[in-house]
Amino acid sequence: GNSVTQMEGPVTLSEEAFLTINCTYTATGYPSLFWYVQYPGEGLQLLLKATKADDKGSNKGFEATYRKETTSFHLEKGSVQVSDSAVYFCALRPPNQGGKLIFGQGTELSVKP
Amino acid sequence: DVKVTQSSRYLVKRTGEKVFLECVQDMDHENMFWYRQDPGLGLRLIYFSYDVKMKEKGDIPEGYSVSREKKERFSLILESASTNQTSMYLCASTATANYGYTFGSGTRLTVV
Repeated sequence: GNSVTQMEGPVTLSEEAFLTINCTYTATGYPSLFWYVQYPGEGLQLLLKATKADDKGSNKGFEATYRKETTSFHLEKGSVQVSDSAVYFCALRPPNQGGKLIFGQGTELSVKP
Repeated sequence: DVKVTQSSRYLVKRTGEKVFLECVQDMDHENMFWYRQDPGLGLRLIYFSYDVKMKEKGDIPEGYSVSREKKERFSLILESASTNQTSMYLCASTATANYGYTFGSGTRLTVV
C-alpha cells in the first residue's frame, strides 16, 4: 500500500542552523510528493511539491528533491529562523486515485533565538 | 485570496449528539476533502467528494457521513458523537488532481 514515514519530532534548533527533516515513502507507481506546513492555530499550507523523479521543489528557502532510488523526499533549509517554527507534513498523492493525499505523522520544529 | 472557510474554530458537544461541521470554498473547486488530525497520526482521510452529490469513503469513514448539495459546500456529519471523535477536523479543496490542497483553519471538536 501507500504510506509516508517522517522523522519523529520535536526537532529543536537554534536560529541559523541547518535543517533536515527526513521523509520516506512507499507507493506503487509514480506518486507526486508534497511538503505542507502548519503554523500554530492555522490550517496546513502547501510549502513545495515535486511531481516526478529528480524534481526539486523549493519555496521560502526550503528545498526537497524527489529521490526515487531511495524513495525519499527530505526537507532541507540552510538557515532556519524563529518564524519557521511549525509542524511540517510530508505527503504523497498516489497515481490514478484522483486528488487523495496520504500524509506522514508530522514533525514539529521549534527554532530558538 | 482564495479561501476555504470552516464555520467553527472550536466546538464542544455531548456524547450521542448529531454534529454538523461545515466547510465552504470560494474557488469553484471540484474536489473537497475531510481529514482529521491527531497527534502522532498525522492527517487521516475521512471522506471526499469529486462533484456535487458525489461522495467516496476515505480511510476512516466509520461514524461519519457527508453531504455535498452545492459545489461550494461540503459538510461532515457525526451521526452520534463519541469521545473518540474528539479531534481537529480539517477541510480541504483542490481544482484538479494536479494541484495541492487549500486547507481551512480547522475545527477543534471536543466530545464530552
